[in-house]
Amino acid sequence: DVKVTQSSRYLVKRTGEKVFLECVQDMDHENMFWYRQDPGLGLRLIYFSYDVKMKEKGDIPEGYSVSREKKERFSLILESASTNQTSMYLCASRYQGLHSNQPQHFGDGTRLSIL
Amino acid sequence: AQTVTQSQPEMSVQEAETVTLSCTYDTSESDYYLFWYKQPPSRQMILVIRQEAYKQQNATENRFSVNFQKAAKSFSLKISDSQLGDAAMYFCAYRSETGNQFYFGTGTSLTVIP
Repeated sequence: DVKVTQSSRYLVKRTGEKVFLECVQDMDHENMFWYRQDPGLGLRLIYFSYDVKMKEKGDIPEGYSVSREKKERFSLILESASTNQTSMYLCASRYQGLHSNQPQHFGDGTRLSIL
Repeated sequence: AQTVTQSQPEMSVQEAETVTLSCTYDTSESDYYLFWYKQPPSRQMILVIRQEAYKQQNATENRFSVNFQKAAKSFSLKISDSQLGDAAMYFCAYRSETGNQFYFGTGTSLTVIP
């Protein structure tokens, strides 16, 4: 089974802090994704990476950056946390194959509160 | 960007009964993939079922089946013999054959009544 591990289930930070959310997958997947999940809005893509050191902006990248130095690890960075970034953050990974029905595999999520 | 619409924010079903969750999507492409994911309270999101657009036959996984209507751009999920463990948030998702990005609906919260 694919294992996607997010470093924290719950995190509380203060406004203005630099926040790191870490995600590790153990299946050698090329693609990795960061979403935020808010009630009534579903999952919104922040950034994704299709390979090491490669990244693309999703639908809501403002205020975030990412890092993928190794294939198994994809980090989401809040450069200067703000209260409107309080949310549930989900990491996912997926086998690359474009012409395939491979799904995304999700971590447990990190519930981040910015005070 | 593709749009995925789940018009039912909340649904409820009696245990052992059948329920259908709706999903529609907007695309100009002919080849794509559709997915239903389940997210139980405070638990991990997991895949329920998937459908390739080029397949006319509707996908089935035990008590879960889909009604895929390509012309209508509709992809509903039917849960038969509902169980208490089916209570969760359900998300419909779309991915084009040539893209890496998944597009999710806003979710339907399913309650199962004992």
